[in-house]
Amino acid sequence: KAGVTQTPRYLIKTRGQQVTLSCSPISGHRSVSWYQQTPGQGLQFLFEYFSETQRNKGNFPGRFSGRQFSNSRSEMNVSTLELGDSALYLCASSLVPGTGWQGDGYTFGSGTRLTVV
Amino acid sequence: DAKTTQPNSMESNEEEPVHLPCNHSTISGTDYIHWYRQLPSQGPEYVIHGLTSNVNNRMASLAIAEDRKSSTLILHRATLRDAAVYYCILPDNYGQNFVFGPGTRLSVLP
Repeated sequence: KAGVTQTPRYLIKTRGQQVTLSCSPISGHRSVSWYQQTPGQGLQFLFEYFSETQRNKGNFPGRFSGRQFSNSRSEMNVSTLELGDSALYLCASSLVPGTGWQGDGYTFGSGTRLTVV
Repeated sequence: DAKTTQPNSMESNEEEPVHLPCNHSTISGTDYIHWYRQLPSQGPEYVIHGLTSNVNNRMASLAIAEDRKSSTLILHRATLRDAAVYYCILPDNYGQNFVFGPGTRLSVLP
């Protein structure tokens, strides 16, 4: 079966711009989580969506937002980009919330590498 | 904050067993212990998880201490493709999402 698909794979943006990243979960998976990975901070949880509703949010400023569509695909948006937003953004899907950490596991995509210049 | 402690790096020879330790002294009774690994240029991938009993799957074994304050991921025969960062993960205090630590970078020598 197809894995988690993230697009684009690479992105270069200028400070002050905004960016939208896309994630298509595994077919049948309804929960989508987003993580930011940087060399200094490692993997940090951004937010989780289920049934088009944000269930949880990590400790990130309001410039980071997301949404989920009825087909479970998700997008995340970062407005007013800063140099520190340069990172690998990872999306992970699971059947439903809770099962990701309890048992069935999350399936991660390969990520979108965002560079802010 | 991460609830687990792992060595920063470990080295192994190819085709030898590898034991990757993890301390999680503040684990709660209902926390599952998860292991993921991240190969270069990829997202993390699921390896194994467990609650109390030792677990085996095609990728690895997970040995959990009786008091559950530590666990060990066992790769029975390391291959070059096993070179990755291995994360031992617990859920956050609300049981909602993973809290990743820095993980252990495993190098496998030919």
